[in-house]
Amino acid sequence: DAGVTQSPTHLIKTRGQHVTLRCSPISGHKSVSWYQQVLGQGPQFIFQYYEKEERGRGNFPDRFSARQFPNYSSELNVNALLLGDSALYLCASNDRGWYEQYFGPGTRLTVT
Amino acid sequence: GQQVMQIPQYQHVQEGEDFTTYCNSSTTLSNIQWYKQRPGGHPVFLIQLVKSGEVKKQKRLTFQFGEAKKNSSLHITATQTTDVGTYFCAGPRDNYGQNFVFGPGTRLSVLP
Repeated sequence: DAGVTQSPTHLIKTRGQHVTLRCSPISGHKSVSWYQQVLGQGPQFIFQYYEKEERGRGNFPDRFSARQFPNYSSELNVNALLLGDSALYLCASNDRGWYEQYFGPGTRLTVT
Repeated sequence: GQQVMQIPQYQHVQEGEDFTTYCNSSTTLSNIQWYKQRPGGHPVFLIQLVKSGEVKKQKRLTFQFGEAKKNSSLHITATQTTDVGTYFCAGPRDNYGQNFVFGPGTRLSVLP
């Protein structure tokens, strides 16, 4: 079975621009979570979606938004990019919401 | 808000030496998870501990959950170069346990 997939792998954007990151969970997994990982730090929780409903939101500004589609794939959108948004964005899926999370390879976002 | 701390931040060991990382939460946890992230990779789930005082072993890795369910440890016996990476603990952000707060991680280097 394929693992969690994310696209794109790398992305370079300019301050003020908008970005959309995509995630496809493992087949059968209904929960998708998004994390931001700045170099040298642990992943920081951004959003969780389960069965297409938002189940959790971390301490991130309203510039960050997400949604989950009927096929359980998900998008993370970030508006008005800042230099500080440069990070590895990780998507994780699981089938019960509270057990082990399977992480994708991440999208490396660089804001210049 | 809930905080999860880990010590040490870095650990350099000679191959064959033991290694221990400690995780402490500001609040009582319903469970705790451990992940390993290789350099340039993504977090990979290692284990989940649920019960007070629980001890679990995976080959050379021993995981403990404290009696008060506020701390945990990971001990690696006779480290190998394949153990190189950053080890994160993660605890649930809320009572539903569906999204997690990660610690800052302990970065392990193993010298051959």
